[in-house]
Amino acid sequence: EPEVTQTPSHQVTQMGQEVILRCVPISNHLYFYWYRQILGQKVEFLVSFYNNEISEKSEIFDDQFSVERPDGSNFTLKIRSTKLEDSAMYFCASSVPWGAGEQYFGPGTRLTVT
Amino acid sequence: ELKVEQNPLFLSMQEGKNYTIYCNYSTTSDRLYWYRQDPGKSLESLFVLLSNGAVKQEGRLMASLDTKARLSTLHITAAVHDLSATYFCASRRDDMRFGAGTRLTVKP
Repeated sequence: EPEVTQTPSHQVTQMGQEVILRCVPISNHLYFYWYRQILGQKVEFLVSFYNNEISEKSEIFDDQFSVERPDGSNFTLKIRSTKLEDSAMYFCASSVPWGAGEQYFGPGTRLTVT
Repeated sequence: ELKVEQNPLFLSMQEGKNYTIYCNYSTTSDRLYWYRQDPGKSLESLFVLLSNGAVKQEGRLMASLDTKARLSTLHITAAVHDLSATYFCASRRDDMRFGAGTRLTVKP
């Protein structure tokens, strides 16, 4: 069964450093998303991406964040200058249509900022 | 601003019992999602409800949507231990908003 994959599973970085989280969505999916979940808290939407551009983003997704689909398979989330409060689990998801479609989540990347 | 509230936040129930988790959302939205999350794991999509009156069932779980009341319910029938997990609802308007989650524990 196709699945969303994410790398790395755990990333430790120092405050102020740049990190890139990687995702490979399901191959025939058209919409891609990033979410984050601070430990023990609810899931928060960051951004959705379609047709090589951001379709929607939340207030969390400020100028420190960017997304890219550098090739036909990868979907990346970059955090330019990490803060302590960026420590969280980051989930990538993909779906066929946005909204109506079922979203398939990857296993997540645990980001720890020290 | 779309707000999504779930209750209860914690639910401990015995095997074989029935219970309902409630999800209220604050503004117009006709797309409601239910997810399951096991500890330390990712989210698993359970249901996508698209229209008023929608009802979907999978095994011991049944979800419904009342867009006029801005309410979705997740009903658990004859709970079993394997259903122990955290259940999130989420609603989409301009973006996706998640509820705080209901941590369900089913005891033998």
